[in-house]
Amino acid sequence: DAGITQSPRHKVTETGTPVTLRCHQTENHRYMYWYRQDPGHGLRLIHYSYGVKDTDKGEVSDGYSVSRSKTEDFLLTLESATSSQTSVYFCAISGTGQGQPQHFGDGTRLSIL
Amino acid sequence: GNSVTQMEGPVTLSEEAFLTINCTYTATGYPSLFWYVQYPGEGLQLLLKATKADDKGSNKGFEATYRKETTSFHLEKGSVQVSDSAVYFCALQTGANNLFFGTGTRLTVIP
Repeated sequence: DAGITQSPRHKVTETGTPVTLRCHQTENHRYMYWYRQDPGHGLRLIHYSYGVKDTDKGEVSDGYSVSRSKTEDFLLTLESATSSQTSVYFCAISGTGQGQPQHFGDGTRLSIL
Repeated sequence: GNSVTQMEGPVTLSEEAFLTINCTYTATGYPSLFWYVQYPGEGLQLLLKATKADDKGSNKGFEATYRKETTSFHLEKGSVQVSDSAVYFCALQTGANNLFFGTGTRLTVIP
């Protein structure tokens, strides 16, 4: 298995609170991604990073921010969580180049009440 | 734009039956194509991939051929097992390394 660790694995919190999810990799891959998975939507890209301090928005970035201060860590922050952000969040990593597959972590189940 | 359309599920098959899960795509340029599998409570795992037209990806008895003329990448397996029960996702990747996923197809194999 690719060395990807997501933390926490489960979290329940209240609307309006800040939440930070962490993704840690041991593969030294350049690219890191955050997705959310919801029934009927497959996986949708929130943000991605192509290097330290280099990030860009994905399809569903509103309400989310990210930071990457080290190659191995990619943080996803919900500044003020809403119930619509209840979801399962997956981190992924990949090497550089067309055709490089993404490798996924085991996910974080986030419930916002 | 980029998008993936895959067969609606759920799909229920008896053990040793033949499996086909249809996947078609719309893409700008020349994408790479992937099938991922997700077992309950786990993340997605790469099942197979193809990076150019007419390539065939294969793994664990599953196959898919990149058909540019029909913009398709259908997943097939000749004889499914109970352990193949999972959700299967078709995805395409553009030059920016971004993946675009289909909505997933849940497969249940009964003994």
